[in-house]
Amino acid sequence: GIQVEQSPPDLILQEGANSTLRCNFSDSVNNLQWFHQNPWGQLINLFYIPSGTKQNGRLSATTVATERYSLLYISSSQTTDSGVYFCAAGASTGGFKTIFGAGTRLFVKA
Amino acid sequence: SQTIHQWPATLVQPVGSPLSLECTVEGTSNPNLYWYRQAAGRGLQLLFYSVGIGQISSEVPQNLSASRPQDRQFILSSKKLLLSDSGFYLCAWSGPGQVFQPQHFGDGTRLSIL
Repeated sequence: GIQVEQSPPDLILQEGANSTLRCNFSDSVNNLQWFHQNPWGQLINLFYIPSGTKQNGRLSATTVATERYSLLYISSSQTTDSGVYFCAAGASTGGFKTIFGAGTRLFVKA
Repeated sequence: SQTIHQWPATLVQPVGSPLSLECTVEGTSNPNLYWYRQAAGRGLQLLFYSVGIGQISSEVPQNLSASRPQDRQFILSSKKLLLSDSGFYLCAWSGPGQVFQPQHFGDGTRLSIL
């Protein structure tokens, strides 16, 4: 099945800094999502992006499906961006199984 | 708009006791439904998914089971809980059909087994 690897595992930023989170996946995918889990455990869907580029405010994401990676950009980080960012991928050949990466834990300092 | 409800938010159960966690979705019809478990400090593991009433796919062998008695209701159960069943359980939904669509999560249930 698909394997999903995220890097870096941990990241500490000063408020206002920019960052790039990476997600590599081992096979062709039809489904690539980015989630943010806040310190209270709530998971919010940030992007559904099996290919191409999307932007939502200070966040943007790019998936290059042919090269099997996706990037999440956070610009002008804020303390509320702290939490864990997960990448999740799936392929139609695997049914509706969505595989989550181990996450990138982000802490933004004031 | 669509909403997803999970309850209870926290649960403490003794080893060997039964379990029933419920998830309901509002504002959509025939959603795909999912149960995930998250161990402390780790990623999410898909336990079950359902594409329709009575249709359940199990991804991980365990002493848990799932049922979908109504279109927008998804239940996670166990007859006898093990210590290893502790964790954070999350229900999710996505749009209907045989294609991937964005998943949206409930607030989760923190389950502690004593």
